[in-house]
Amino acid sequence: SQKIEQNSEALNIQEGKTATLTCNYTNYSPAYLQWYRQDPGRGPVFLLLIRENEKEKRKERLKVTFDTTLKQSLFHITASQPADSATYLCALVTTDSWGKLQFGAGTQVVVTP
Amino acid sequence: NAGVTQTPKFRVLKTGQSMTLLCAQDMNHEYMYWYRQDPGMGLRLIHYSVGEGTTAKGEVPDGYNVSRLKKQNFLLGLESAAPSQTSVYFCASSSGETQYFGPGTRLLVL
Repeated sequence: SQKIEQNSEALNIQEGKTATLTCNYTNYSPAYLQWYRQDPGRGPVFLLLIRENEKEKRKERLKVTFDTTLKQSLFHITASQPADSATYLCALVTTDSWGKLQFGAGTQVVVTP
Repeated sequence: NAGVTQTPKFRVLKTGQSMTLLCAQDMNHEYMYWYRQDPGMGLRLIHYSVGEGTTAKGEVPDGYNVSRLKKQNFLLGLESAAPSQTSVYFCASSSGETQYFGPGTRLLVL
C-alpha cells in the first residue's frame, strides 16, 4: 500500500533554533513534493515545491531536501520564531497521478519564546 | 482578489438531510478540488475537475456528488448525509502545480 508519513507528535522548539520535520513515503514514484503550512481553522498555504531530480530548495528561512533513495523529504525552519507555530503538511505528486496531491497528516510545530 | 471562498463556514445536519457546499475562485484557474480533513489523517481528495463541465472521482468519492457548471464555481453535494461525513471540507484551485485552498467548511452530521 502507499503511505505518506509525518511525525504525529508535536515538535516543541525554542525560538531561534532550527526545526526539522520529516516526511517519509512508500511505494510511490514521485514527480515532485510540496510543503504547506496550516494554521488552526484555516486552509493550507503553499510554501515550497521540490522536484524528484532536485536535492535542495530554499526560501528565506525555509529549506527542503528530497532524497528519492531514502524516500524522504526534510523540511527545516531556521532561526524559528513564535509566528512559525503551525501544522506543516507534506504532499506528494506521483508520475502517474496527474496533479493530484497525496497528503501526509502533518506535524505541529510549537515555537516558544 | 478574494482567492478561494467557501460557503457556508459551518453547518449542522441531521442524518439523511442533503446539502450543497459552494466553492468559488476568482483566479481563473482551470483545476478545482474538494478535500476532506479528519483528525490524524491527511487531506483526502473527494472529487476534482480539470475544467468547466468536467468532474472526476478522487480517493473517497462515495456519498458525494459534484458539479462544475461555471469555471469559477465547484459545488459539492451530499444527497443523504451520514455521521461518517462529519469533517472539515476544503476546496482548492490550481493553474498548475500549486494549489490554493479556501478557508474550509466545518460539517457536523448528527
